[in-house]
Amino acid sequence: ETGVTQTPRHLVMGMTNKKSLKCEQHLGHNAMYWYKQSAKKPLELMFVYSLEERVENNSVPSRFSPECPNSSHLFLHLHTLQPEDSALYLCASSQDPAGVGTFGSGTRLTVV
Amino acid sequence: DAKTTQPTSMDCAEGRAANLPCNHSTISGNEYVYWYRQIHSQGPQYIIHGLKNNETNEMASLIITEDRKSSTLILPHATLRDTAVYYCIVRVAYNNNDMRFGAGTRLTVKP
Repeated sequence: ETGVTQTPRHLVMGMTNKKSLKCEQHLGHNAMYWYKQSAKKPLELMFVYSLEERVENNSVPSRFSPECPNSSHLFLHLHTLQPEDSALYLCASSQDPAGVGTFGSGTRLTVV
Repeated sequence: DAKTTQPTSMDCAEGRAANLPCNHSTISGNEYVYWYRQIHSQGPQYIIHGLKNNETNEMASLIITEDRKSSTLILPHATLRDTAVYYCIVRVAYNNNDMRFGAGTRLTVKP
């Protein structure tokens, strides 16, 4: 257990469904991240929240919608996804000044 | 874009030292070198980081060249459980936006 908890661990959803991924950290970190890892591809940084404000959105399609209600929780809301969105979605958190990132175990998403 | 270059894959015999190189020739003076690893289907795990001095912890040692253009991660006594993809990242410590991963090195530890 890393201190960053992601739920669910596995998710299968249809292209017309709406679902949410949840990430929770109780490490006192002030920054949280969403990454996407597709098969045989490097980790792709999707969103960064610092002090609960989104500071970066790396041209992610609008069918992915992040939410950071407080410093301990991060959500990724999903709607009308495509099969190519199937991937491992990883959440991470970090704390200045060292900024060492702690990752969760990820949610394995399959879009059918 | 990742700012580092790593070999795609490496093998290491169990019990021997694993030396994983990383080139970061465009590193800036305020950028640190971080190493993470990812065991299959798990989230990446932090290993070590450094600025210019060599660093050692319970997991590994980090050797950074004097010009800081390259570094080597050393696992002193590799075990089968060290088989993973190892990522070298350079980033400014205070910049939360800079945690970007490249393709990494797939290390296979063989019995």
